[in-house]
Amino acid sequence: QVQLQESGPGLVKPSQTLSLTCTVSGGSISSGDYYWSWIRQPPGKGLEWIGYIYYSGSTYYNPSLKSRVTISVDTSKNQFSLKLSSVTAADTAVYYCARDWRTTVVFDPWGQGTLVTVSS
Amino acid sequence: QSALTQPASVSGSPGQSITISCTGTSSDVGSYNLVSWYQQHPGKAPKLMIYEVSKRPSGVSNRFSGSKSGNTASLTISGLQAEDEADYYCCSYAGSSTLRVFGTGTKVTVL
Repeated sequence: QVQLQESGPGLVKPSQTLSLTCTVSGGSISSGDYYWSWIRQPPGKGLEWIGYIYYSGSTYYNPSLKSRVTISVDTSKNQFSLKLSSVTAADTAVYYCARDWRTTVVFDPWGQGTLVTVSS
Repeated sequence: QSALTQPASVSGSPGQSITISCTGTSSDVGSYNLVSWYQQHPGKAPKLMIYEVSKRPSGVSNRFSGSKSGNTASLTISGLQAEDEADYYCCSYAGSSTLRVFGTGTKVTVL
């Protein structure tokens, strides 16, 4: 079965760029049936969809974050990545990657999540 | 695009049924049968419970069911069990400009 695992620094300084990678195992990221999404959850708060990428490289971002977000894909490594620039304390959150079913708008499965804290 | 509105908390006794609402607009919930529900236990990743309003993935208990009327989707948990105590989030397709929007989340407490 497909599994996803996030990796990256757990601490980022304000104004810097947050960078995370999601490694997909048990299936190909090049499957045409899926997008690959990033979702975040500030401590004690709800879920926020950040954006997705298709294996071809096409992307779509949440309009509220679009100016600071870049999602990329490396099909040779079966990975996709998130970059969020100019971070502030408000970007402190658990960041999840998830497989996003194109036609049904479903997130399944999810990675375990990784906490990123923005602090000097 | 604002988050879909859910009650902050819902509670029930073991064996009872509870319903969680998820209210959107005619631009999201009301226009598409693409509502999904997720269960999240503390410190864990969300788990898919319902998709396309009322479909259950393999392995999810039939005590969980979904429905929709107008701009409001609902998740019903029947025969409430202690293990159902968790946070629940709805999610909907929100059209070509926003694409995906989550609900505010509901904490379910089993009394």
